[in-house]
Formats: sequence, C-alpha cells, structure tokens
Amino acid sequence: QQPVQSPQAVILREGEDAVINCSSSKALYSVHWYRQKHGEAPVFLMILLKGGEQKGHEKISASFNEKKQQSSLYLTASQLSYSGTYFCGTESTTSGGSNYKLTFGKGTLLTVNP
Amino acid sequence: DVKVTQSSRYLVKRTGEKVFLECVQDMDHENMFWYRQDPGLGLRLIYFSYDVKMKEKGDIPEGYSVSREKKERFSLILESASTNQTSMYLCASSLPGVSIYEQYFGPGTRLTVT
Repeated sequence: QQPVQSPQAVILREGEDAVINCSSSKALYSVHWYRQKHGEAPVFLMILLKGGEQKGHEKISASFNEKKQQSSLYLTASQLSYSGTYFCGTESTTSGGSNYKLTFGKGTLLTVNP
Repeated sequence: DVKVTQSSRYLVKRTGEKVFLECVQDMDHENMFWYRQDPGLGLRLIYFSYDVKMKEKGDIPEGYSVSREKKERFSLILESASTNQTSMYLCASSLPGVSIYEQYFGPGTRLTVT
C-alpha cells in the first residue's frame, strides 16, 4: 500500500517555506525523499532511518517519526530551482527487518514562482 | 559520473507484441529496479533484482517478467503488450541495502501500446 503524501500540490513565492508530509499505515524501516523535475529522472534528496533522526541538505531538511509512521520534508526560503514533484519512498518492516523494497507515494507537485 | 541508461526514450508497440525494455548501469551496483510511473499514481515497483539471475516481485508484477543475466543489465519484458501498459518506465540501481543507499534512476522509456 502506497504511503499518503500531503498536500498533493502547493504553490509558493520565492523565499516562502513549505512542508510536505508522508504517512504510512505500516511500520517503517526507512524513508527516502526524491525530487523529479518535469521530463527528468527522479533525483535523490535524503534517507532517514528509524530512530527519529532529522537530516538536512542546505535549506531542505526532513524528520522521521517512527511511532507515527510519518516523515516530513521541510523546504525553507524556497528557490525557483525547488520546483518539481517530490516523492517519498518508504521501506516497511517485516518481523522487525526490512522488506527490501521502496514503496513510493503519489507525489507532491511544488511550484515556486518569482 | 554515475549513469543508468535505458535503451529507448520513446517506444510505440502494438497490442499483443512482445516488448523488451533494456536498462544498463555502469556503477557495479548489485540492486536494480523497474518502476512504472503514471500521472497521479506516482512510482510503482514492478520487479527488482539484488543479484545476477535473482529477481523479486514488486507491487505490480502482473503482465511483466524480467531478466538479469549480467550484473550491469536488467531487462523488463512485456510478454503480450496491452493498452493498459502504456506508461513511463523507469529503471534504477543502487548498492546493496535499500535502507541506506540511494537509487539512481535512468531517464525513462515512454511506452505507448496501440
């Protein structure tokens, strides 16, 4: 079952902040975030492992709440280059271990305008 | 530079034809994946392989098969193409360990079945 991403779409002005959420009905081992620009391949942003860690990548950071089976991606002071579709990919646990595959959400379309 | 290539960017086939989609990676990665991407549905895993001659079903394997005879090459086969298999197909590869390693995606093959 695919994780649920929200919102489905968001429009920002340059410099504004956004949060994209990813929620799963299954216990999670890890969460991956990718960005795909129109007509291009998805590109890796970051991985979060269970343990509630938060990671950062310039002005893009993410958190992982293992108990709530949720992850959030934070984009601060957005730039035009942030436009694209953001996907979370979740790796579920089976009997405490990984199921060795990612299940991606349907994506969140982020548009940053000047 | 890391590279995943796919044999065709665009492909048009007729219903009932056997279709081969080829993917090659030059990073010596153990894991390789096939996804299909449809508007509003995100990326869905068809099959993956964690070693030569090894394969595992993903979330939507029906109507597809795969072949991995060499480490660098992973083929997706549509035994008898149908119109509902019209889609964008993305190949990806990674080091072993889904949890901690990013996936590198190819540019995709847009397949149209008429």
